[in-house]
Amino acid sequence: DAKTTQPPSMDCAEGRAANLPCNHSTISGNEYVYWYRQIHSQGPQYIIHGLKNNETNEMASLIITEDRKSSTLILPHATLRDTAVYYCIVRANNAGNMLTFGGGTRLMVKP
Amino acid sequence: NAGVMQNPRHLVRRRGQEARLRCSPMKGHSHVYWYRQLPEEGLKFMVYLQKENIIDESGMPKERFSAEFPKEGPSILRIQQVVRGDSAAYFCASSPPRGVDGNQPQHFGDGTRLSIL
Repeated sequence: DAKTTQPPSMDCAEGRAANLPCNHSTISGNEYVYWYRQIHSQGPQYIIHGLKNNETNEMASLIITEDRKSSTLILPHATLRDTAVYYCIVRANNAGNMLTFGGGTRLMVKP
Repeated sequence: NAGVMQNPRHLVRRRGQEARLRCSPMKGHSHVYWYRQLPEEGLKFMVYLQKENIIDESGMPKERFSAEFPKEGPSILRIQQVVRGDSAAYFCASSPPRGVDGNQPQHFGDGTRLSIL
């Protein structure tokens, strides 16, 4: 699976949009972009995934650039409960079933 | 709709004892995955199972660790003769059978925190 690069930490003001970037410049055509987050002492929580089109669900939006070399996870109105480590993961649909977690981005939402 | 259930949430063992960690997947999910998270590190894949079959155990230590997912009942991760280095959070995830495009998100439980005295 392709390697991803994320900033180690970010701050966001409560109520503002949180935009979390992810670089995956070596992504292959059959690889999806997944986002998970891990709130302290809990298991990773699935957020969203996509292939090449932008995706939106009740939690977040995923914007994938046209060349698919990077993406941005958007939390439209961050709350204190969104403070967590956010992981961007690239996985092929016909690869082994493991998810490879990197260091992620530690998002701190501040009042 | 119950999520992935893991128990116990916390487990304390002395060196040399056995640890058994249980995972009940979400309803309708037939695929189970185990991951380990050492303190201050990211999750590392250990093993992937379907009912009664180990599909990929490339992340499992060669000795002392085993996993099963029987036809009936939860998946079990078993660690024999535990050592201090086994202290970690162990997470289980499950997913339904893969769709046409092969993509199904994995959903995680809240883990078992294993402490070795």
